[in-house]
Amino acid sequence: EAGVAQSPRYKIIEKRQSVAFWCNPISGHATLYWYQQILGQGPKLLIQFQNNGVVDDSQLPKDRFSAERLKGVDSTLKIQPAKLEDSAVYLCASSSDRGRWNEKLFFGSGTQLSVL
Amino acid sequence: TQLLEQSPQFLSIQEGENLTVYCNSSSVFSSLQWYRQEPGEGPVLLVTVVTGGEVKKLKRLTFQFGDARKDSSLHITAAQPGDTGLYLCAGDQAGTALIFGKGTTLSVSS
Repeated sequence: EAGVAQSPRYKIIEKRQSVAFWCNPISGHATLYWYQQILGQGPKLLIQFQNNGVVDDSQLPKDRFSAERLKGVDSTLKIQPAKLEDSAVYLCASSSDRGRWNEKLFFGSGTQLSVL
Repeated sequence: TQLLEQSPQFLSIQEGENLTVYCNSSSVFSSLQWYRQEPGEGPVLLVTVVTGGEVKKLKRLTFQFGDARKDSSLHITAAQPGDTGLYLCAGDQAGTALIFGKGTTLSVSS
């Protein structure tokens, strides 16, 4: 079974530039998450999709971050304009069991973003 | 305020030693998960505990969920270099996405 695919693996940009990340979840997984992991910290949820609808985006900085999941499969996360504090690893995860008490998340390898 | 507090933050030990890492909260969780994350990779689920007082074993790893479902511990017996990584606990409050702690970075040297 193919895992969660993310690209690119690394991205270096200057502040105020824009950047986009892509995620392809495990086939058949209805739920998709984007997490931000700053060095030395645990993953922080940015946005959660159920199929192509947004379930939770309460922690997404909407003035600069946007995400979409067209057709309920792959997803893109965009930052425009980037700030220095956006430097982090952006993890995508998918799950088939949202709403259950023992939901299991499968993570991609992440995109490491450096903003200079 | 961090909902899940993990301790210690860093742990460096020799191969063969035993260790315990902790995950504490003032909130009750429906279940609690432990993940291990290696450099350059995403977290990988190790175990889910759901019942207060539950103990689960995974080879040399023993996981325990507190009776009140507010805390958990991970004990590793005879640590090996392959156990090196970031250990994350994540809590599930029904109806919300998983909440992660900051993790414990474990380094096991041979």
